[in-house]
Amino acid sequence: KAGVTQTPRYLIKTRGQQVTLSCSPISGHRSVSWYQQTPGQGLQFLFEYFSETQRNKGNFPGRFSGRQFSNSRSEMNVSTLELGDSALYLCASSSIQDRRQFFGPGTRLTVL
Amino acid sequence: QKEVEQNSGPLSVPEGAIASLNCTYSDRGSQSFFWYRQYSGKSPELIMSIYSNGDKEDGRFTAQLNKASQYVSLLIRDSQPSDSATYLCAVTGGGNKLTFGTGTQLKVEL
Repeated sequence: KAGVTQTPRYLIKTRGQQVTLSCSPISGHRSVSWYQQTPGQGLQFLFEYFSETQRNKGNFPGRFSGRQFSNSRSEMNVSTLELGDSALYLCASSSIQDRRQFFGPGTRLTVL
Repeated sequence: QKEVEQNSGPLSVPEGAIASLNCTYSDRGSQSFFWYRQYSGKSPELIMSIYSNGDKEDGRFTAQLNKASQYVSLLIRDSQPSDSATYLCAVTGGGNKLTFGTGTQLKVEL
């Protein structure tokens, strides 16, 4: 099976702009979770989607949002970008039968 | 108190030795436990999962779980230079929200 894919792999934006990141889960996986990784805060959970519904949410401001489509692909959006949003954004997918989560390669976002 | 704690290291071991990585967690309701390996500039790669007390072995890797002590460990036997990476401990409470430790940097020296 193909792994989790994320696009784009790299992004450079300026403060105040918005950005949309995409994630395609492993075939058959219906749960997609998003994480932010920074040197200072480590890996932090953003939110999880399952069957097009947000099932869980981390402690991030409302500028961070997401959605999931009927084919389980997911997008996350960050509006009004701040310098502190510079990070590696990772998505992970899992199946109903398995608690394990498998990560994609990530999107490296730089906010200038 | 952090929810998941790991020694940041670096932990240095000679090639061929056993590397022992430790992790403690604060939520007694935690149900699933994972070890991820992350090379510099790459995404985390799942190497072990464990859900019940005891040991679980997979090749050179052994995960150990002690829920009473809220302690998870990872042993890497016959350590190789290619094992040099950051090892992340992660736990969940039943859902899919992974809570990560800050990771332990492992260096395997020739």
